[in-house]
Amino acid sequence: DVKVTQSSRYLVKRTGEKVFLECVQDMDHENMFWYRQDPGLGLRLIYFSYDVKMKEKGDIPEGYSVSREKKERFSLILESASTNQTSMYLCASSRDSGYNEQFFGPGTRLTVL
Amino acid sequence: GNSVTQMEGPVTLSEEAFLTINCTYTATGYPSLFWYVQYPGEGLQLLLKATKADDKGSNKGFEATYRKETTSFHLEKGSVQVSDSAVYFCALMRSYNTDKLIFGTGTRLQVFP
Repeated sequence: DVKVTQSSRYLVKRTGEKVFLECVQDMDHENMFWYRQDPGLGLRLIYFSYDVKMKEKGDIPEGYSVSREKKERFSLILESASTNQTSMYLCASSRDSGYNEQFFGPGTRLTVL
Repeated sequence: GNSVTQMEGPVTLSEEAFLTINCTYTATGYPSLFWYVQYPGEGLQLLLKATKADDKGSNKGFEATYRKETTSFHLEKGSVQVSDSAVYFCALMRSYNTDKLIFGTGTRLQVFP
């Protein structure tokens, strides 16, 4: 059974803290993605990676960075968390290019106080 | 630019009613179109897809037809069940070699017995 796991379901942090969100997939997928989901806005792409150590900015990369040191793991980093980063964060992965299905993790609900 | 517009929810139906969730898109070129579903407390999962004009995607009783002339990909089901209660996202993939999805804002479906 294919699986994308995220390190936490719920996370509460304080303004200014450095926050790490971890995502692991067991499908040997080349592509990995980080989205944030907000009511009325749907899902918006933050960053994606199409190979180890490769990354590209999505539509809303400001305030975020990513790391992909191993194929199965893709980390999202909030260098200095702010209250407007309170959101649901979803990780996804897919096989190499070709209209392939993205598989999603269960999400991390982050609250920044 | 590329975008997806979905009808606002929530959509509230009785069991066995007919469902339509409207989705229209704006895109350059020839995008692929997707419907994803998010059940409560879970990540998104692919429901169906269509990769070219006039294609019909279908799964679990749901159907959607890629209509290039009306730039639409409406989701339909003939008889909904309580277990179909979820949030439904329409999405497009911009091109073959990026795997990047653009999502609509999502439509919540509530089905009552």
